[in-house]
Amino acid sequence: QSALTQPASVSGSPGQSITISCTGTSSDVGSYNLVSWYQQHPGKAPKLMIYEGSKRPSGVSNRFSGSKSGNTASLTISGLQAEDEADYYCCSYAGSSTFDWVFGGGTKLTVL
Amino acid sequence: QLQLQESGSGLVKPSQTLSLTCAVSGGSISSGGYSWSWIRQPPGKGLEWIGYIYHSGSTYYNPSLKSRVTISVDRSKNQFSLKLSSVTAADTAVYYCARWFGELGYFDYWGQGTLVTVSS
Repeated sequence: QSALTQPASVSGSPGQSITISCTGTSSDVGSYNLVSWYQQHPGKAPKLMIYEGSKRPSGVSNRFSGSKSGNTASLTISGLQAEDEADYYCCSYAGSSTFDWVFGGGTKLTVL
Repeated sequence: QLQLQESGSGLVKPSQTLSLTCAVSGGSISSGGYSWSWIRQPPGKGLEWIGYIYHSGSTYYNPSLKSRVTISVDRSKNQFSLKLSSVTAADTAVYYCARWFGELGYFDYWGQGTLVTVSS
């Protein structure tokens, strides 16, 4: 299966909202509501931010939200803060096999 | 609070076998419903899933690495391990262990990662 497509970079100013897209196909993102999003600061392990497309784990700020339209999942960060600057990765189920999960290539978020 | 900690050799020679262990604390590795995974990240690149092992012991590997990967679990020590054989410079990466909730598809706990360099 192919990796999900994310923009290489996005940027925004403090207080603004930004959206990171994660584009797949009708065989993965479009067919299942099993997209997760991870935040990774430099030199740190990834952190789960969103699962099942739009659910937030306990402790994750409600400034982070997830959605889906067609074959594209999105992560929106509202009220952008300096500490949101990080890399973000999406992951989706891609089929009927137990190993059919794919990652996106990652997006670098810069807070201006 | 569940914690995962990777350990192992940080430098491996080409053609040799990379070996890492992930110690799990704050919870049992035998808990039903979860799998235990290895993910890697080459310097400056994205995440690559290596494989995972179910609490039952069943394993699933990335097809691109399957011929070289073995993941095993030691329940008595509450840890699981990764072996990657015939390594090359392309296997140089930060290796993470993580807990995978396969039913809903997410990694909820991660180790801090360990850098493995393949070099002679």
